[in-house]
Amino acid sequence: DIQMTQSPSSLSASVGDRVTITCRASQGISNYLAWFQQKPGKAPKSLIYAASSLQSGVPSKFSGSGSGTDFTLTISSLQPEDFATYYCQQYNTYPLTFGGGTKVEIK
Amino acid sequence: QVQLVESGGGVVQPGGSLRLSCAASGFTFSSYGIHWVRQAPGKGLEWVAFTRYDGSNKYYADSVKGRFTISRDNSKNTLSLQMNSLRAEDTAVYYCAKDAVLVGSGPYYFDYWGQGTLVTVSS
Repeated sequence: DIQMTQSPSSLSASVGDRVTITCRASQGISNYLAWFQQKPGKAPKSLIYAASSLQSGVPSKFSGSGSGTDFTLTISSLQPEDFATYYCQQYNTYPLTFGGGTKVEIK
Repeated sequence: QVQLVESGGGVVQPGGSLRLSCAASGFTFSSYGIHWVRQAPGKGLEWVAFTRYDGSNKYYADSVKGRFTISRDNSKNTLSLQMNSLRAEDTAVYYCAKDAVLVGSGPYYFDYWGQGTLVTVSS
């Protein structure tokens, strides 16, 4: 199985900060990488697919990059509604696997 | 608009069975693969199972293989997950999630998720 490792597991940031989350795959997955946002008590929301493509309706302050084994999710200017947990997921092969999550908290 | 509504969760004893359902609307259900994903309390996301749009291919996580069965009824726009021999570690919120690609073989990325249904395995 492909292991997905996210870092950091949590971070504190202020409104307006630029935030970057890293996801590493245990083997190459080309660009078959998705990012999700989850708020407490809510279902995950799909943000990005194919490493860098935004899902419909997702604001452009979210961006993704990377290919192969190393990927990043960047939030350009953190807003109150962005405080949540973020997950990466590979869909290169079954079983699909998720990173452990990064909790973005208010500083 | 796309809607996925899970149901069937509840409290069950270890070794027991439960059947979850996911009712779909707002899209051509028979043209998209659908997944089950779960989340144990306070933990991360775990992919559980997938069925192709026509039900011809199914995949399972090792943790549920042989105990869980995914199925779909395209005439009723419904996805099911039959869960047998339940264990405490199966306690989680179970989500259904839709593939984003039409009549594909996959795997593909998700675009929509349901709101989830809670399964608690406890004596």
